[in-house]
Amino acid sequence: DSGVTQTPKHLITATGQRVTLRCSPRSGDLSVYWYQQSLDQGLQFLIQYYNGEERAKGNILERFSAQQFPDLHSELNLSSLELGDSALYFCASSVLIFGGKEGYTFGSGTRLTVV
Amino acid sequence: AQTVTQSQPEMSVQEAETVTLSCTYDTSENNYYLFWYKQPPSRQMILVIRQEAYKQQNATENRFSVNFQKAAKSFSLKISDSQLGDTAMYFCAFMNPKASNQFYFGTGTSLTVIP
Repeated sequence: DSGVTQTPKHLITATGQRVTLRCSPRSGDLSVYWYQQSLDQGLQFLIQYYNGEERAKGNILERFSAQQFPDLHSELNLSSLELGDSALYFCASSVLIFGGKEGYTFGSGTRLTVV
Repeated sequence: AQTVTQSQPEMSVQEAETVTLSCTYDTSENNYYLFWYKQPPSRQMILVIRQEAYKQQNATENRFSVNFQKAAKSFSLKISDSQLGDTAMYFCAFMNPKASNQFYFGTGTSLTVIP
């Protein structure tokens, strides 16, 4: 157990629907990062939050949004889902605003399947 | 943007043998961090080893070591005495602590350890 908790582990939904992925960072970590890993692809950075504020944006679609709550958990909202959104979505956390030499601690991911 | 290249999509090694996974990156920065992450079939992302660019000494973690060639922008991972549990996808990652809040990942190398 890495200390980063992601729920649900698996999600199957239809095109056009909206889903919410949840992440609880490791205790003491203030930064939360969201990554998307499509089939046979590397990880693509989506967005970062630090202590409740958005700090960096990557290749995140306008249909996607995220937030970090006062208790530091984060939610990634995916709307108007398309087949191409099927992927493994990772949450990672770190204590620093930047990644730091310690690297990230990753959650086990949420596998989203859009049918 | 930084780029990370892993030119070996798949590799295999006999159990107990040694294997080297290649990674090159592109950056104009002088100070940065490099990482190797392992993703076994469970899909969990696990930090294997990290290297600070300002350190000349190559990092070592038990059976895992790196060959960091800063001038060549090369960061290879050597796995000695390969074990069946080493079978996984391996991702090389780059992080600039000054200007970037995200890691840049390569596309991965799928390693199979053959009994």
